Amino acid sequence: DAGVIQSPRHEVTEMGQEVTLRCKPISGHDYLFWYRQTMMRGLELLIYFNNNVPIDDSGMPEDRFSAKMPNASFSTLKIQPSEPRDSAVYFCASSLWELAGGREQYFGPGTRLTVT
Amino acid sequence: GNSVTQMEGPVTLSEEAFLTINCTYTATGYPSLFWYVQYPGEGLQLLLKATKADDKGSNKGFEATYRKETTSFHLEKGSVQVSDSAVYFCALKLTGGGNKLTFGTGTQLKVEL
Repeated sequence: DAGVIQSPRHEVTEMGQEVTLRCKPISGHDYLFWYRQTMMRGLELLIYFNNNVPIDDSGMPEDRFSAKMPNASFSTLKIQPSEPRDSAVYFCASSLWELAGGREQYFGPGTRLTVT
Repeated sequence: GNSVTQMEGPVTLSEEAFLTINCTYTATGYPSLFWYVQYPGEGLQLLLKATKADDKGSNKGFEATYRKETTSFHLEKGSVQVSDSAVYFCALKLTGGGNKLTFGTGTQLKVEL
């Protein structure tokens, strides 16, 4: 299995530009998570989906951020317009549901975003 | 609410030293507990887990025991190697909690020769 795939791995953009991050979860997984990691704030959950439906987006910082999951094998996180404080590593993770709670999340390699 | 508290880093050890990284949690119900590891430039990966009280998770020489009475899940390794240098995250997941993980802030471990 290829694992969770994220693209691009690195993105450098100017303030005000639109940024789109992409994620392909592990085939068959029904949960998908988007995280942001910074030195100041650590690892933050932004939003997660179950069967392509957004379940909890309370971690999305503001309206400039949006996420979609049009099908089970693809999700995007969009920032429009981008700002320097959005610079971070963005991770996508996927997992299978399990009632007992022991299922792990599998993380992608991350996208390092730099907004200048 | 649910939360995970980890000891502050960085933790610097010499090779072959004993490692303990403390983790305590607050949760409603009976969570599953996890340790994830993040090597430089990579995503997080599961190191070990425990799903009920008194369970011991182990992997690659690391161990952690789910202690309900002290709400703790401390990570230990008897002899660390330089290759163990990474950031370690403690996390919990509630049964029926939508597969959502609550992470601690992470503890950076540096192992020197």
